[in-house]
Amino acid sequence: AQKITQTQPGMFVQEKEAVTLDCTYDTSDQSYGLFWYKQPSSGEMIFLIYQGSYDEQNATEGRYSLNFQKARKSANLVISASQLGDSAMYFCAMREYSGAGSYQLTFGKGTKLSVIP
Amino acid sequence: GAVVSQHPSRVICKSGTSVKIECRSLDFQATTMFWYRQFPKQSLMLMATSNEGSKATYEQGVEKDKFLINHASLTLSTLTVTSAHPEDSSFYICSASRGADTGELFFGEGSRLTVL
Repeated sequence: AQKITQTQPGMFVQEKEAVTLDCTYDTSDQSYGLFWYKQPSSGEMIFLIYQGSYDEQNATEGRYSLNFQKARKSANLVISASQLGDSAMYFCAMREYSGAGSYQLTFGKGTKLSVIP
Repeated sequence: GAVVSQHPSRVICKSGTSVKIECRSLDFQATTMFWYRQFPKQSLMLMATSNEGSKATYEQGVEKDKFLINHASLTLSTLTVTSAHPEDSSFYICSASRGADTGELFFGEGSRLTVL
């Protein structure tokens, strides 16, 4: 089974509107971390937001917020007031502890967001 | 914020040659670095986890003799693609963490390898 599932290969949003990118995860660990990254066409991975499994409040970073629903194992990214520069691939990722002081980061397949003027 | 620098950003080489890609953490000590490979329009696939001073841990299916990883210091990890072939052409990205409890991983800019 996939550890990270992003069901939307592509999304369109009108400029200045909000958009939600879906992410569900699968883990049996009690302690884990969830990340969202943006990858523009240049290829660089840009960190957007992080949510720890024990964090009770949803993470927010500027226009980005993470809708964390632990019981449903979902960690959707909400981008408010979309801008043309938000057009990019977005990856959801989960960090799990893999023993001996190390951990592993697993990525979803990504969602391509296109912002329409 | 913390910066991870990757070099070179693009490299073209002939089949059979070896290519070294460097990943440096510029303003923090990275106890753990990760190497990923990304094919066009696909997600990042973890190749190996590199811990300073010890052997890298490779993911299943990744040839350790082909993709040599060295993490000789807390600020530098290198990936060497040995005897490269056209099928090794890909985008390679490294990431670094300050520690297991750090919420954020820092990524390099990526290196696009083309093997002719």
